[in-house]
Amino acid sequence: AIQLTQSPSSLSASVGDGVTITCRASQDIGNDLGWYQQRPGKAPKLLIYATSSLQSGVPSRFSGSGSGTDFTLTISGLQPEDFATYYCLQDYNYPLTFGGGTKVEIK
Amino acid sequence: EVLLLESGGDLVQPGGSLRLSCAASGFTFNTYAMSWVRQAPGKGLEWVSGISDSGGRTYYADSVKGRFSISRDSSKNTLYLQINSLRAEDAALYYCARDRGNYGLAGFDYWGQGTLVTVSS
Repeated sequence: AIQLTQSPSSLSASVGDGVTITCRASQDIGNDLGWYQQRPGKAPKLLIYATSSLQSGVPSRFSGSGSGTDFTLTISGLQPEDFATYYCLQDYNYPLTFGGGTKVEIK
Repeated sequence: EVLLLESGGDLVQPGGSLRLSCAASGFTFNTYAMSWVRQAPGKGLEWVSGISDSGGRTYYADSVKGRFSISRDSSKNTLYLQINSLRAEDAALYYCARDRGNYGLAGFDYWGQGTLVTVSS
């Protein structure tokens, strides 16, 4: 199975800051990677699919980039509602695998 | 409005069985692949199993292969997960999720709120 390594596992930031989360795959997955946000007690929410495509309704301050094995999620100008845990997911092949998650906390 | 409503979670003894259900509404159920994703308390997300739009193709995580069985009933717009030989490590909140595509491998655009499986003697 493809392994996804997210970093950092947690970070502290202030409202208005820019944040970058990385996800590294154990093999080439093309651009078959998505990003999900999970707020406490809530179901995950799709933010980005196919590396850089913004899901409908998601604010443009979220963006994704990368290809092959290295991917990033960038949040430009953190808002209070963005403090949550973020996961990457590879949908290149089965079994699908998630990264370990990155918790974004308020500084 | 797309809605996914899971049910069937319960407290079960190790070695026991359970069937989870996910009632779908607000979209043409038999044109989308579906999956189950679980989350143990305080832990990350783990994909468990997926099924194509027609039900003809099924997929499993290595950790559940041979014990879990995914199926769907288009006449009832319902997704199922049969869980057998339950282990302590299967205790989790189980989410039903809709794939963006019809055969899978496109990401999950809608999620239910989850149903809780607890394993204890």
